[in-house]
Amino acid sequence: GAGVSQSPRYKVAKRGQDVALRCDPISGHVSLFWYQQALGQGPEFLTYFQNEAQLDKSGLPSDRFFAERPEGSVSTLKIQRTQQEDSAVYLCASSLATSGGWQFFGPGTRLTVL
Amino acid sequence: EDQVTQSPEALRLQEGESSSLNCSYTVSGLRGLFWYRQDPGKGPEFLFTLYSAGEEKEKERLKATLTKKESFLHITAPKPEDSATYLCAVQAGGYQKVTFGTGTKLQVIP
Repeated sequence: GAGVSQSPRYKVAKRGQDVALRCDPISGHVSLFWYQQALGQGPEFLTYFQNEAQLDKSGLPSDRFFAERPEGSVSTLKIQRTQQEDSAVYLCASSLATSGGWQFFGPGTRLTVL
Repeated sequence: EDQVTQSPEALRLQEGESSSLNCSYTVSGLRGLFWYRQDPGKGPEFLFTLYSAGEEKEKERLKATLTKKESFLHITAPKPEDSATYLCAVQAGGYQKVTFGTGTKLQVIP
């Protein structure tokens, strides 16, 4: 497809379970971002990749959160031992420019932790 | 730390009633200010990028302006299909991190 895709679109996890969220960016896009969006709030930055290099992970809320982009294309956000406060929409965005700049967003994955 | 404040939180307009949304920012070394539109259940959709004070961009009924402290998104003669949440975001310094505001939820009533 032409846009950013994310899977799954919805994920329900029991507290303590590990989850993996996938992002397929637009082909050729160098920059990839992950955001967390709580209900009624704006997206909050989690981490940034330039190709396969994770250049900024300052927004990851704890060491339970881990992201990778091993071949500079598809990215996975992994959350270990999920907690109720992890419930949110996780958005992925990609950009052609190395500066990040304006971004194309995917539809998001809604994570609910019970 | 970069800060972005949007006002009002919510805005209800009659169709054709023009208005403006505000985005105030505090950053060190603005590299870009972005406006996005977000519909329920979807990811944000890019609208505009502004880089320096005095810059203006237009697209259909929307016009974005930028000063050294704030940006405005002017909506002229809105239609119901303009109903959405409008997000403002900034990128500053030497970092790639983008900081978003909490958005303005716009409802346009026929």
